Amino acid sequence: DSGVTQTPKHLITATGQRVTLRCSPRSGDLSVYWYQQSLDQGLQFLIQYYNGEERAKGNILERFSAQQFPDLHSELNLSSLELGDSALYFCASSARPSGNTIYFGEGSWLTVV
Amino acid sequence: GESVGLHLPTLSVQEGDNSIINCAYSNSASDYFIWYKQESGKGPQFIIDIRSNMDKRQGQRVTVLLNKTVKHLSLQIAATQPGDSAVYFCAENKNFGNEKLTFGTGTRLTIIP
Repeated sequence: DSGVTQTPKHLITATGQRVTLRCSPRSGDLSVYWYQQSLDQGLQFLIQYYNGEERAKGNILERFSAQQFPDLHSELNLSSLELGDSALYFCASSARPSGNTIYFGEGSWLTVV
Repeated sequence: GESVGLHLPTLSVQEGDNSIINCAYSNSASDYFIWYKQESGKGPQFIIDIRSNMDKRQGQRVTVLLNKTVKHLSLQIAATQPGDSAVYFCAENKNFGNEKLTFGTGTRLTIIP
């Protein structure tokens, strides 16, 4: 158990809908990362937050957004969902924004039908 | 562009034997490399990392070798056990950073009893 908690574990939704994925980082970790894992793209970095502020951005679609709240939990919002958004979405956390190990959660499996 | 790739998508090893998983990277500016293990239904788990000022680092039953001349990274697992069966990813970044980790496509290691 990495200490990173993600909910929900599985989610099935229709195209065009919006979903929110939630992440609680390890106790004491200030930095949160979101990754997408699909069969054809592998693990892709989406976005990173540190202590509530956006720190780095990857290949995150405009239909996707994220935020980190004062209690350090983070949410990834996916809107206008398309079939191609079906993937595993991982949250990870680390104590600092760089220079130390990042720990991944178990992932949220999103299926868009 | 930046890319991290793997020479072999699958690898089968007899239990008790040593295994070597290879990874090629193309970004010569990368100075930090990490190996992750991902078991079925779980998130990536940190195994070992190495900075570019080193060419070898050892952990418990694992050794990472870095050859900057040919931009090649390998993970050696000694005395493999059934629990080593998983997908192994290499990831790379700059400045010992966690931001925008670039992951390889992964190698599936199967330990044969």
